Amino acid sequence: AQSVTQPDIHITVSEGASLELRCNYSYGATPYLFWYVQSPGQGLQLLLKYFSGDTLVQGIKGFEAEFKRSQSSFNLRKPSVHWSDAAEYFCAVGSNFGNEKLTFGTGTRLTIIP
Amino acid sequence: ETGVTQSPTHLIKTRGQQVTLRCSSQSGHNTVSWYQQALGQGPQFIFQYYREEENGRGNFPPRFSGLQFPNYSSELNVNALELDDSALYLCASSPAGRASFADTQYFGPGTRLTVL
Repeated sequence: AQSVTQPDIHITVSEGASLELRCNYSYGATPYLFWYVQSPGQGLQLLLKYFSGDTLVQGIKGFEAEFKRSQSSFNLRKPSVHWSDAAEYFCAVGSNFGNEKLTFGTGTRLTIIP
Repeated sequence: ETGVTQSPTHLIKTRGQQVTLRCSSQSGHNTVSWYQQALGQGPQFIFQYYREEENGRGNFPPRFSGLQFPNYSSELNVNALELDDSALYLCASSPAGRASFADTQYFGPGTRLTVL
């Protein structure tokens, strides 16, 4: 069964500092990988996705993520965070095969301090 | 690209009751998925509909059922509500030309269901 692990439940970062959110996945083939962001009271917004090709993916709001097959990881990065980046971040793995569709991690809550 | 709406915003029900949650996708979005997000958890896939047919189901009992209509609206029905059904229910639509979980999904703001 496919699964996603986000090992950091909560991360606090100073405004202007760099950010890396970790995501590890388990899947038997090349997965479809996603990062979503959820602000309080809002639905999820797609930040970026990886299907194939270049393993460094650029997304919206200055975010990027790198797919590392050898480490089964898809970590999200941002060189300089803004106070508006405070939110919950979810990594997800998708599949069109079998009964395993889109599986989300438990999320990482990001707090930004001035 | 946004435009997925859900109603109601909040809902309170008692155990054993039935509930219907509604979602309106963007025009042209043939695929809609429903998710349950318990407090402090990531969304869990309930099921997906493509052109009014169910296309995949997560690990949820049959008392969770759905409908998709030609006008890009859809419903999630839950019978015999249990306390553990309390959660945020999200729908997401996709402009995919075929049933797929590889395409971008656009989420609505969700319906917060509380079961007492």
